[in-house]
Amino acid sequence: NAGVTQTPKFQVLKTGQSMTLQCAQDMNHEYMSWYRQDPGMGLRLIHYSVGAGITDQGEVPNGYNVSRSTTEDFPLRLLSAAPSQTSVYFCASSYAFSAEAFFGQGTRLTVV
Amino acid sequence: AQSVTQLDSHVSVSEGTPVLLRCNYSSSYSPSLFWYVQHPNKGLQLLLKYTSAATLVKGINGFEAEFKKSETSFHLTKPSAHMSDAAEYFCVVSDQLDTGNQFYFGTGTSLTVIP
Repeated sequence: NAGVTQTPKFQVLKTGQSMTLQCAQDMNHEYMSWYRQDPGMGLRLIHYSVGAGITDQGEVPNGYNVSRSTTEDFPLRLLSAAPSQTSVYFCASSYAFSAEAFFGQGTRLTVV
Repeated sequence: AQSVTQLDSHVSVSEGTPVLLRCNYSSSYSPSLFWYVQHPNKGLQLLLKYTSAATLVKGINGFEAEFKKSETSFHLTKPSAHMSDAAEYFCVVSDQLDTGNQFYFGTGTSLTVIP
């Protein structure tokens, strides 16, 4: 059982480039979310989804887009990368409120 | 909205001595509370969770936490630290939005274990 799979693990982008971080889960979870982790700030919610076709913004959504066409996949798109988006990104899924979240291994993104 | 405060950004203990990582939360509901651990360059792993059952929650690797509603606290403890416990620990509160659940993370506590 793979759980939550994120790709790539590492990425370097130039300012202004776009890219998509991939996230897939095989647990049939309805809830999926993206977080960024920055030193001293814990994890902050970027976007989340409560099911296929339904997405909403979290705490820090600017500069990011998401879509949820299937239950399994929840990609995160950076439209025009900026150095402020240098961070570690985590995808998570859970099956319900009050349920534990399962996290991917993270994507370390550097924007130069 | 929920908030989570981890009272110590760094904790250092000697191997074999007790560990205490402190967490306070604000909540207008009966919250669900979690502790996650993150080892260097790894993802987050669930240590334990509280979901309105027993107030003393036992987790993996000998960790436990006690939910104290009167103090709005959910401190993480372990009787005897091991070198492998050195990691970053996050206290998390789960809130239910109109459209689903959201997790609120503390800023983390870095645990160092001294041989």
